[in-house]
Amino acid sequence: KQEVTQIPAALSVPEGENLVLNCSFTDSAIYNLQWFRQDPGKGLTSLLLIQSSQREQTSGRLNASLDKSSGRSTLYIAASQPGDSATYLCAPHNYGQNFVFGPGTRLSVLP
Amino acid sequence: ETGVTQSPTHLIKTRGQQVTLRCSSQSGHNTVSWYQQALGQGPQFIFQYYREEENGRGNFPPRFSGLQFPNYSSELNVNALELDDSALYLCASSFGGTSGMYEQYFGPGTRLTVT
Repeated sequence: KQEVTQIPAALSVPEGENLVLNCSFTDSAIYNLQWFRQDPGKGLTSLLLIQSSQREQTSGRLNASLDKSSGRSTLYIAASQPGDSATYLCAPHNYGQNFVFGPGTRLSVLP
Repeated sequence: ETGVTQSPTHLIKTRGQQVTLRCSSQSGHNTVSWYQQALGQGPQFIFQYYREEENGRGNFPPRFSGLQFPNYSSELNVNALELDDSALYLCASSFGGTSGMYEQYFGPGTRLTVT
């Protein structure tokens, strides 16, 4: 059974800092992994989908890396802004199964 | 291209009642997954519908049931509501059931409060 952890649970930083959010999963036989952003009380917004054959995926100031063999993915946020404040969730996807979500990292970027 | 929509936005029900939540999938998608998200936690998988058939179920009791229609929209039904059913219910639209490599796109959610 896939289990997902995310570290840190919460993070508060001043504007402009580069950030690293970590996601670990127990079953490395994944097909892909998706990173999401969630604003309070809202649905999830897809940020990046990284396939098992990829090591990195980039979108604007966001970069996700994947080390499938060690069961880790990292989301880098460059030059953080107050608008980046949200909860960030990772979800690995094993073939024939459904996405399993981590508990999320709650990010607060202070102006 | 129309995104994923859910209705209603908010709902208040009494313990023991029944509720139906609705989800319209994104154009071109044939798969809808439902999730329950309690406050401060990640979403928990309830079940998935692929081409109108249930295609996987999480650890939820039978009083959670669903349907998918020919246009791939979906309903989530919960009978005999309990206080612990209070949560944000999310649906996600995608393509290819559990075998695909495609992204999931989420709707805005339905906030259910059971009193």
